[in-house]
Amino acid sequence: EAGVTQSPTHLIKTRGQQATLRCSPISGHTSVYWYQQALGLGLQFLLWYDEGEERNRGNFPPRFSGRQFPNYSSELNVNALELEDSALYLCASSLQGAQPQHFGDGTRLSIL
Amino acid sequence: RKEVEQDPGPFNVPEGATVAFNCTYSNSASQSFFWYRQDCRKEPKLLMSVYSSGNEDGRFTAQLNRASQYISLLIRDSKLSDSATYLCVVPNYGGSQGNLIFGKGTKLSVKP
Repeated sequence: EAGVTQSPTHLIKTRGQQATLRCSPISGHTSVYWYQQALGLGLQFLLWYDEGEERNRGNFPPRFSGRQFPNYSSELNVNALELEDSALYLCASSLQGAQPQHFGDGTRLSIL
Repeated sequence: RKEVEQDPGPFNVPEGATVAFNCTYSNSASQSFFWYRQDCRKEPKLLMSVYSSGNEDGRFTAQLNRASQYISLLIRDSKLSDSATYLCVVPNYGGSQGNLIFGKGTKLSVKP
């Protein structure tokens, strides 16, 4: 069974640009979660999608947004990139909000 | 009290040692708890789930004290491969659904 897959592995952008990160959940999982892990900090919750709807949002500015597609894959969009957005972005999936969550390898976003 | 709080360590122990990590949580309605393991620059991986008073899996034992809102992870007969950061994790909602709240992690280094 394929695990959670994320793309790209690495992404380099400059300040002010926009970034799009992608995630495919484990087959059969309807919930997708996005987390940010900045250097030296713990994982911070960004967004939770289930069945195409946003279920919860973490304490991040509106320039962090996303969506979930009918096939349950998801995109995270970050607009007007700032240096502090440099982090590992992790996607996780689970069955309909249940536990446990299984994580992808992450996308490392670097802002120059 | 922070939502999920852990001793950051690092814990430096010799092979074969027994080591225990502690974690406190603030939401008294929480029903389920998790320990994840995260290797350097990798995604978190589920180590143990705790739904009642505790759980044991080989060398690993997790214990829960609901009255004190305290979870522990005990590792017996430490191996070099146990070196990692151990994350204490609690679902955001009182039950067991939804996004996760992560502690900042406890770093373990097992030396020969």
